[in-house]
Amino acid sequence: GNSVTQMEGPVTLSEEAFLTINCTYTATGYPSLFWYVQYPGEGLQLLLKATKADDKGSNKGFEATYRKETTSFHLEKGSVQVSDSAVYFCASRMDSSYKLIFGSGTRLLVRP
Amino acid sequence: ETGVTQTPRHLVMGMTNKKSLKCEQHLGHNAMYWYKQSAKKPLELMFVYSLEERVENNSVPSRFSPECPNSSHLFLHLHTLQPEDSALYLCASSQGDGFSYNEQFFGPGTRLTVL
Repeated sequence: GNSVTQMEGPVTLSEEAFLTINCTYTATGYPSLFWYVQYPGEGLQLLLKATKADDKGSNKGFEATYRKETTSFHLEKGSVQVSDSAVYFCASRMDSSYKLIFGSGTRLLVRP
Repeated sequence: ETGVTQTPRHLVMGMTNKKSLKCEQHLGHNAMYWYKQSAKKPLELMFVYSLEERVENNSVPSRFSPECPNSSHLFLHLHTLQPEDSALYLCASSQGDGFSYNEQFFGPGTRLTVL
């Protein structure tokens, strides 16, 4: 079946460091891919998305590129801030379905 | 109000109480979802309503009872819960036509504690 695998956290970085959170998916077709972010005490917010191979989603300095050849959708940011501390969820969804398949989440802690 | 709102934000209840969680979406969507988020566990999809009809019920115990009176409102009625039901309950909505669906937008969640 379809699944999403994320790197385990927590990921601890100093402010202005480069961030990569790995995400890979398995699917029977070509799903749409998403990154959601959950700040402490809040619900999930859509951070970015990509709907087809080679698409790049971007928002708030974060980027992720849909790589069909490696079935990956890694999240990157060139310079993290303390305010980026949160839990990040990678997710996939087949276009014919409402069902989001979530990864287990990766906690990011950015220190001043 | 904009987006997806949930009330209450926090709820403490005893095992014999009956309470309800409310979700309202202001996005004009036609599908709504209940998720359970427990510590150290993946998000669990509980119920899905599309065009006000329940289309998914993921083996959720009957002590959880959803209700979708219209496309903007979703309730989760709770009764005789167990301490292991303590979790963050998230509501989400999306737009779909029965064949394809756009991304889901989430509410802030209700933090439920069962004593």
